[in-house]
Amino acid sequence: GAVVSQHPSWVICKSGTSVKIECRSLDFQATTMFWYRQFPKQSLMLMATSNEGSKATYEQGVEKDKFLINHASLTLSTLTVTSAHPEDSSFYICSAAPAGRAGRDTEAFFGQGTRLTVV
Amino acid sequence: LAKTTQPISMDSYEGQEVNITCSHNNIATNDYITWYQQFPSQGPRFIIQGYKTKVTNEVASLFIPADRKSSTLSLPRVSLSDTAVYYCLVVVNSGGYQKVTFGTGTKLQVIP
Repeated sequence: GAVVSQHPSWVICKSGTSVKIECRSLDFQATTMFWYRQFPKQSLMLMATSNEGSKATYEQGVEKDKFLINHASLTLSTLTVTSAHPEDSSFYICSAAPAGRAGRDTEAFFGQGTRLTVV
Repeated sequence: LAKTTQPISMDSYEGQEVNITCSHNNIATNDYITWYQQFPSQGPRFIIQGYKTKVTNEVASLFIPADRKSSTLSLPRVSLSDTAVYYCLVVVNSGGYQKVTFGTGTKLQVIP
């Protein structure tokens, strides 16, 4: 089946620094990728939709200047958490659907997630 | 967006069949119902997807009544490794791509 890979799997950073998380579709092209955040014992919250070659679309309440998204190719989207604070500590997950097949009857493939801890 | 409602948690003994029901009263005509499984500190994993009636694969069955306002995920003979959170999702087609919004999920605890 299709594979979506995230890197790193976990990261610890100091407060005030920036952290970049990569999301790659390994065996398919994805014009659109999605970024989620999940706090302990809670569900996934959609943060933004990453569009290849154009600006990301952010969900209400998500600061676009803090969570920078770049989708430079059909297989890579990056999420940069800028000036990280302890409250940004969370589990970040990306997902993607194959280009040309995206639609209501297509499953989305999820990465394994990235555990961010800001100290 | 179609909102989903499912039980927060369920317990089951090993070897039993588990049925998790989800309601999605305002599902749109062309929306599909999809179920995902998530283990701690992992991304969600696709289980099954359907539009109406019944769908079966190697791991689960999905029952959808004619009005499509609810669906039931059936896991046959669960084992301890099936302990996870199960999410019922309505797949929304937004601007030509797939936008997936998660509800609360059902935490299934399988007991020996």
